[in-house]
Amino acid sequence: DAEITQSPRHKITETGRQVTLACHQTWNHNNMFWYRQDLGHGLRLIHYSYGVQDTNKGEVSDGYSVSRSNTEDLPLTLESAASSQTSVYFCASSESGPGGRDEQYFGPGTRLTVT
Amino acid sequence: QKEVEQDPGPLSVPEGAIVSLNCTYSNSAFQYFMWYRQYSRKGPELLMYTYSSGNKEDGRFTAQVDKSSKYISLFIRDSQPSDSATYLCAIKEGGSEKLVFGKGTKLTVNP
Repeated sequence: DAEITQSPRHKITETGRQVTLACHQTWNHNNMFWYRQDLGHGLRLIHYSYGVQDTNKGEVSDGYSVSRSNTEDLPLTLESAASSQTSVYFCASSESGPGGRDEQYFGPGTRLTVT
Repeated sequence: QKEVEQDPGPLSVPEGAIVSLNCTYSNSAFQYFMWYRQYSRKGPELLMYTYSSGNKEDGRFTAQVDKSSKYISLFIRDSQPSDSATYLCAIKEGGSEKLVFGKGTKLTVNP
């Protein structure tokens, strides 16, 4: 069955370290998204991609970067982790175009703690 | 004003109750309206999807959209303990793939 996976599921890191969160989908979807979810803020869009080599900034992109070298993967990098980036991170994917329902399918999330 | 407003609750009801969850939005360009359900420590999953004013029913769930008032609702009939989750409204402009989410309402259905 097609799915979307995230790794690691839990991560503890120190302030200032570079961290990369992986997202892999097997639906062959064009669109991929990264969100963070925090109490009191809901889901906020960090970065998104509409296809290979395409990346765009979302609402809360400062301190984060992404790259899309193939259809299946959109890794999220925290360049220099800060305590304010402690959060739960969700990856999602969707299809667009004729016949596409454009429903976003979410991964299970990565719980990141920056100490 | 945030684009999508949703009362975060929490909301606690007895089993069998009718639950009403609501969101308001400010941008008239929004055309597609969704409700996602998120169980604790899981990713959100799509529950209801609609793109027009009026009602859409799926089993015990009814999604209602009033574009003139910029108001969307989700009704749950005969609520069950398994409905205990956080419910997020999500709204999308036509031609855009991005969703704007409400903050979510945490619902607990007590047996």
